[in-house]
Amino acid sequence: EPEVTQTPSHQVTQMGQEVILRCVPISNHLYFYWYRQILGQKVEFLVSFYNNEISEKSEIFDDQFSVERPDGSNFTLKIRSTKLEDSAMYFCATRGTGENGYTFGSGTRLTVV
Amino acid sequence: QQQVKQSPQSLIVQKGGISIINCAYENTAFDYFPWYQQFPGKGPALLIAIRPDVSEKKEGRFTISFNKSAKQFSLHIMDSQPGDSATYFCAARFMGNQFYFGTGTSLTVIP
Repeated sequence: EPEVTQTPSHQVTQMGQEVILRCVPISNHLYFYWYRQILGQKVEFLVSFYNNEISEKSEIFDDQFSVERPDGSNFTLKIRSTKLEDSAMYFCATRGTGENGYTFGSGTRLTVV
Repeated sequence: QQQVKQSPQSLIVQKGGISIINCAYENTAFDYFPWYQQFPGKGPALLIAIRPDVSEKKEGRFTISFNKSAKQFSLHIMDSQPGDSATYFCAARFMGNQFYFGTGTSLTVIP
């Protein structure tokens, strides 16, 4: 079964450092999303991406966040200057054209110390 | 208006029993209602989903009941098994794009 692959599975970073979270979408999927889940809380929408541009973003997705598809296959989330409150599981999700549901990756656990 | 409210927060059910998780929403622009199952350390996995023009959908032991007028929907797990122990999230899709998730229900099925 096709999978969404996320790397790394766990990243520890110092406050103020930049991190890049990577996602390899399912090959024929064109819609990409990042969600985050703070420990024990609900899954929260960050951003959606289609046709090489952001289609929608939440209030959480402020100027310290950015997304891109640097090489046409990977889909990345960059956090420029991490804060303690950025510690969370970050999930990439992708969707194919005509499909309703997402396929989520296994997530990257980001710990900011 | 984008909130999806989920209850209960946690649920303990005996093996073979019925697990029921409820969700309520406010925004009538939501057009798709999935349930996700999440095991520790894993991403949410789509379990079953329903559109608002359907009142019930059944897939194996899992059933969604949807009440459009009350703006409520629920997940029923029949013959609950220990392997069903997981966190369940309801969600609602806003106008074909992003999803809003409920706060999750931690289900424990006791053997």
